Amino acid sequence: EAGVVQSPRYKIIEKKQPVAFWCNPISGHNTLYWYRQNLGQGPELLIRYENEEAVDDSQLPKDRFSAERLKGVDSTLKIQPAELGDSAVYLCASRSGDGEKLFFGSGTQLSVL
Amino acid sequence: QKEVEQDPGPLSVPEGAIVSLNCTYSNSAFQYFMWYRQYSRKGPELLMYTYSSGNKEDGRFTAQVDKSSKYISLFIRDSQPSDSATYLCAMENQGGKLIFGQGTELSVKP
Repeated sequence: EAGVVQSPRYKIIEKKQPVAFWCNPISGHNTLYWYRQNLGQGPELLIRYENEEAVDDSQLPKDRFSAERLKGVDSTLKIQPAELGDSAVYLCASRSGDGEKLFFGSGTQLSVL
Repeated sequence: QKEVEQDPGPLSVPEGAIVSLNCTYSNSAFQYFMWYRQYSRKGPELLMYTYSSGNKEDGRFTAQVDKSSKYISLFIRDSQPSDSATYLCAMENQGGKLIFGQGTELSVKP
């Protein structure tokens, strides 16, 4: 069974440009998370979905970040416009509704120049 | 004050040593406690999961939770070079809010 798939693996953009990250969770996993991980830090939650509903987006910088999870499966995280401080690894994770284990993708490493 | 505090290290030990990793937390609403391991350029993977005070053992790994002190630990016995990674504690409340610690970078030298 495939794990959580994220793309692209790496992305380099100039500041003020838009960027989008894509996540395909494990089949059947209702809960999907987007985390941001800065170098030397633990992952920080950006948004959590239960099916297609965003149930916790309190840490998402809504002035520039947006996310969607159409049909409760794949998800896209967008930044527009990107700032230098957005350079980080963006991790997607999923779990089944009553599961205890969170499965992570390998992340997208974003560099904003 | 952060909800979860973890000593960032780095920690360097010789092969075969016992490793102790620790986290403290401030929010008594946390009910579930986890340890994740993260290799370089990879996503975290779950090592241990527990929801009660006490010890849980899995092979060379032992997770310990003390809810009264708001303190959790991970012990690694007979550490191996392949254990070299960043170890993240994580805690979750019943509402599904999951918070990670800063991570401790561990290096086990042959």
